[in-house]
Amino acid sequence: GAVVSQHPSRVICKSGTSVKIECRSLDFQATTMFWYRQFPKQSLMLMATSNEGSKATYEQGVEKDKFLINHASLTLSTLTVTSAHPEDSSFYICSATARGNEQYFGPGTRLTVT
Amino acid sequence: DAKTTQPPSMDCAEGRAANLPCNHSTISGNEYVYWYRQIHSQGPQYIIHGLKNNETNEMASLIITEDRKSSTLILPHATLRDTAVYYCIVRVAQSSGDKLTFGTGTRLAVRP
Repeated sequence: GAVVSQHPSRVICKSGTSVKIECRSLDFQATTMFWYRQFPKQSLMLMATSNEGSKATYEQGVEKDKFLINHASLTLSTLTVTSAHPEDSSFYICSATARGNEQYFGPGTRLTVT
Repeated sequence: DAKTTQPPSMDCAEGRAANLPCNHSTISGNEYVYWYRQIHSQGPQYIIHGLKNNETNEMASLIITEDRKSSTLILPHATLRDTAVYYCIVRVAQSSGDKLTFGTGTRLAVRP
């Protein structure tokens, strides 16, 4: 299957700082990328959908000014958690899809805010 | 997307078949059944999907009932590495922008 990478795999930051997470499709051009969040012992919750070159569509309850998504190219999307707080500590997972194909998931990024 | 119901947990012995059920009684005619799994602290992995015919690939088999209200994912010879949470998802055929809605899944434990 296709490969999706995320960077970093783990990050620890202080409360009030911002953190950027990258999601890359390594061997295909992703027309759409999705960002999910997963708290311990819970399922994945979709945060937003982003299409290359357009603004992301956020799910209800997700603050777009706090979770900034940029999908600048067909192989890269970034999620920036601004002014992070301990309650933002979670496992962030991206997925990517090309038109007519399956969604492929990245390995996830574990964010810990101290 | 139609709602799915899965048992919260199951276990099976290594080397035996693991049969994971999923109910999707409100599935629409144009909705597919997808299965993903998530090994601890990793991203989900696509396993298989189908519309109404049974499907098989190198990872698993998918059996869909004739009325399409339920399905079973079969791992023919489970190994310890198959221990994971398995998600059954029903959704309209793939098109750019389709999102996946994950339920709580089935936590499969393969015992030695």
